[in-house]
Amino acid sequence: EVQLVESGGGLVQPGGSLRLSCAASGFTFSSYSMNWVRQAPGKGLEWVSYISSSSSTIYYADSVKGRFTISRDNAKNSLYLQMNSLRAEDTAVYYCARDPYCSGGSCYGYWGQGTLVTVSS
Amino acid sequence: QSVLTQPPSVSGAPGQRVTISCTGSSSNIGAGYDVHWYQQLPGTAPKLLIYGNSNRPSGVPDRFSGSKSGTSASLAITGLQAEDEADYYCQSYDSSLSGSNWVFGGGTKLTVL
Repeated sequence: EVQLVESGGGLVQPGGSLRLSCAASGFTFSSYSMNWVRQAPGKGLEWVSYISSSSSTIYYADSVKGRFTISRDNAKNSLYLQMNSLRAEDTAVYYCARDPYCSGGSCYGYWGQGTLVTVSS
Repeated sequence: QSVLTQPPSVSGAPGQRVTISCTGSSSNIGAGYDVHWYQQLPGTAPKLLIYGNSNRPSGVPDRFSGSKSGTSASLAITGLQAEDEADYYCQSYDSSLSGSNWVFGGGTKLTVL
């Protein structure tokens, strides 16, 4: 069974830093690109960052470029998001997610349960 | 401001049919990229509802269907049920922004009257 489990969220002051982790299991993590998506309280989904399977290609949303760094450790089946210079507007639930795909006649979309980041003094 | 445009809300009575539109541009939906639809119940992670414009994952009732034409896509729900009350998001891909990847609609709240 595919599982994505985020951790590392919490309360942080403006200007502070936080590192989110996403532990993957149930699939060959090293073969798949991954994404971080966030959702501010009461708001819609916002794509944050993308990393290819080998880490050779990385993208960021303009809203986090220069402040957030995505990375992965394929040996540990883990995805990370280093968040620096945090702002109040970064307050959100952060999800790690895999690109949806179809295989064997069925289609799948895997998301973690999310971890809440609150930026406040 | 979301890259893809959805109506903020739609509503319908039980048993009725509703549609949710998702309008993009030539750099995303119109460029031929697939559109996926997600259903999000309160306090839960989004769940894949429609993959690749019109394909239903196993376990998704056939009351849900998707279509795509030009720069737009649509999600249709027939035989509306109370349990369908949720937020719905379309997602595609965009090649116009510097290093962008996934793009979302702003979400549509479905109310079952």
